[in-house]
Amino acid sequence: GAVVSQHPSWVICKSGTSVKIECRSLDFQATTMFWYRQFPKQSLMLMATSNEGSKATYEQGVEKDKFLINHASLTLSTLTVTSAHPEDSSFYICSARHTGEADGYTFGSGTRLTVV
Amino acid sequence: GENVEQHPSTLSVQEGDSAVIKCTYSDSASNYFPWYKQELGKRPQLIIDIRSNVGEKKDQRIAVTLNKTAKHFSLHITETQPEDSAVYFCAATYQAGTALIFGKGTTLSVSS
Repeated sequence: GAVVSQHPSWVICKSGTSVKIECRSLDFQATTMFWYRQFPKQSLMLMATSNEGSKATYEQGVEKDKFLINHASLTLSTLTVTSAHPEDSSFYICSARHTGEADGYTFGSGTRLTVV
Repeated sequence: GENVEQHPSTLSVQEGDSAVIKCTYSDSASNYFPWYKQELGKRPQLIIDIRSNVGEKKDQRIAVTLNKTAKHFSLHITETQPEDSAVYFCAATYQAGTALIFGKGTTLSVSS
């Protein structure tokens, strides 16, 4: 149980284009999802907290106009990297908290974004 | 907000030895402390966690200890094996619905 599906697993895009990453909770309702970015050999850095039906909360230093987050349903949150540049190349991963017997956090499989 | 410090950044041990990774956190309200193992390009895998009402938790070769007064928690791996080689992250969070904040990670290398 408590599975989060993330797509795509990898994407290569041209500089200046936009890329959308989706995270779906498959067997539970995720009112809140978290988006992280991980550069090579670094830790997972929280970018934003996505709340169903309301605006996302962004961490300091994360441009909300560049990283658009939408959480329109209890099972789907999307991150759109707009006007991507090579410095946006990174591993993006979502997470959701699940309650019940196995209370904890579950992670998507991650998206490797390469901007060329 | 919460800040998590993790040490050491790299750790090399011989197969069979024990490995200890330590983390400190800043927010005394934090109450959930998981440890993750991450292989390159993959999602973090939960290996053990502890909540603030418990001082120690063990699962076979892995144990976690928590000192709330000092605001630190540690991961202990005994009888290390080469397959334990990976990057390990500690994390902390302080209430339902908030994000995990991660330490910077420890690269563990177990040589046979």
